[in-house]
Amino acid sequence: SQQGEEDPQALSIQEGENATMNCSYKTSINNLQWYRQNSGRGLVHLILIRSNEREKHSGRLRVTLDTSKKSSSLLITASRAADTASYFCGSSGAGSYQLTFGKGTKLSVIP
Amino acid sequence: NAGVTQTPKFRVLKTGQSMTLLCAQDMNHEYMYWYRQDPGMGLRLIHYSVGEGTTAKGEVPDGYNVSRLKKQNFLLGLESAAPSQTSVYFCASRGASRTEAFFGQGTRLTVV
Repeated sequence: SQQGEEDPQALSIQEGENATMNCSYKTSINNLQWYRQNSGRGLVHLILIRSNEREKHSGRLRVTLDTSKKSSSLLITASRAADTASYFCGSSGAGSYQLTFGKGTKLSVIP
Repeated sequence: NAGVTQTPKFRVLKTGQSMTLLCAQDMNHEYMYWYRQDPGMGLRLIHYSVGEGTTAKGEVPDGYNVSRLKKQNFLLGLESAAPSQTSVYFCASRGASRTEAFFGQGTRLTVV
């Protein structure tokens, strides 16, 4: 079964609004990563947060991690039409070399 | 610097035919992965490798075989293709620190 699950499955917002998507995972992790996929393309790495970190920022991205709840969230501030894509969280269980993903959140930003 | 390159980009197979998908990376990465992506299912891990000469099963390995004879290449084989293997296949690699993964552009496979 898949390690991570993103929520919601789909999200539609107006340009300029913030977008929040969540990820839950099943086992202890070394780190959790967020990726973006434009239609028909490969995934592109956005940001990584380690298991001993609680929050991380990169430009308009903010990621939080709650290891007690086995969950993470990705916030995109001041969204743009170009942010329209699917977003996935990827994780490796502690001591595991696998990298598994959830089903993703499909974000649509309406101009 | 090409990153991760998948060959071919598109392929149509008849049921029962065999084929091999090639993934090549030029970043000297230790770990390589094969995924399939189906509508509504996200990415599912088929097989992975932690180094030259080693392979391991992922979440959905049945019907696939892999080999990693050279560190830079990871091959995914379908011995007898079935319509259920119609999918988009992605290869990825990452370094020994297990941080970010780099993905290929995908192979769209249709089995008729």
